[in-house]
Amino acid sequence: DQQVKQNSPSLSVQEGRISILNCDYTNSMFDYFLWYKKYPAEGPTFLISISSIKDKNEDGRFTVFLNKSAKHLSLHIVPSQPGDSAVYFCAATTNNAGNMLTFGGGTRLMVKP
Amino acid sequence: EAGVAQSPRYKIIEKRQSVAFWCNPISGHATLYWYQQILGQGPKLLIQFQNNGVVDDSQLPKDRFSAERLKGVDSTLKIQPAKLEDSAVYLCASSRLGGGRETQYFGPGTRLLVL
Repeated sequence: DQQVKQNSPSLSVQEGRISILNCDYTNSMFDYFLWYKKYPAEGPTFLISISSIKDKNEDGRFTVFLNKSAKHLSLHIVPSQPGDSAVYFCAATTNNAGNMLTFGGGTRLMVKP
Repeated sequence: EAGVAQSPRYKIIEKRQSVAFWCNPISGHATLYWYQQILGQGPKLLIQFQNNGVVDDSQLPKDRFSAERLKGVDSTLKIQPAKLEDSAVYLCASSRLGGGRETQYFGPGTRLLVL
């Protein structure tokens, strides 16, 4: 039972344009969501997060939007840069789960110069 | 600040053999996690330690996998005997305290291939 899903395995975007990565979840108990970025041969690194009490969180070129009624979140990268090319994982957790994260399957983003 | 260290980086073994992975978390981090990432999937938590105690090991296949964190610092994850489906990247992560909302810092992982 996949509680966190990223339905697009890959996405290709032109440099300077917007990248939109999507994530859906099924567990209504999830109340904190994170995005991690992973380069080849490296471990995932934390990118941005959002609490369920918010619907938007912004950090520089990265913005995460949360739609609780649809159980959907998205990561927007504007403008996209070639260095953003990586695999992006969505993750979720609940308040009483300690720090246990449930990850989606990832989306490979390719930003073309 | 040094990151999470893992070794070896790559390991190839035959099925039914044993293998062990080592992790050194960020200094001072109380909580340590082991994840399994199968190709094309996201990381799946195997076990979580708080200091040297187990917080969650509900997804650890205990018939063949074992993990320990002696003295609350380094940790080893062992597979004995290995199966073909254990081929994956094994990621270690650590966080400062282990409470909710804490950032987890990941090591580079150990890529295991079981033939």
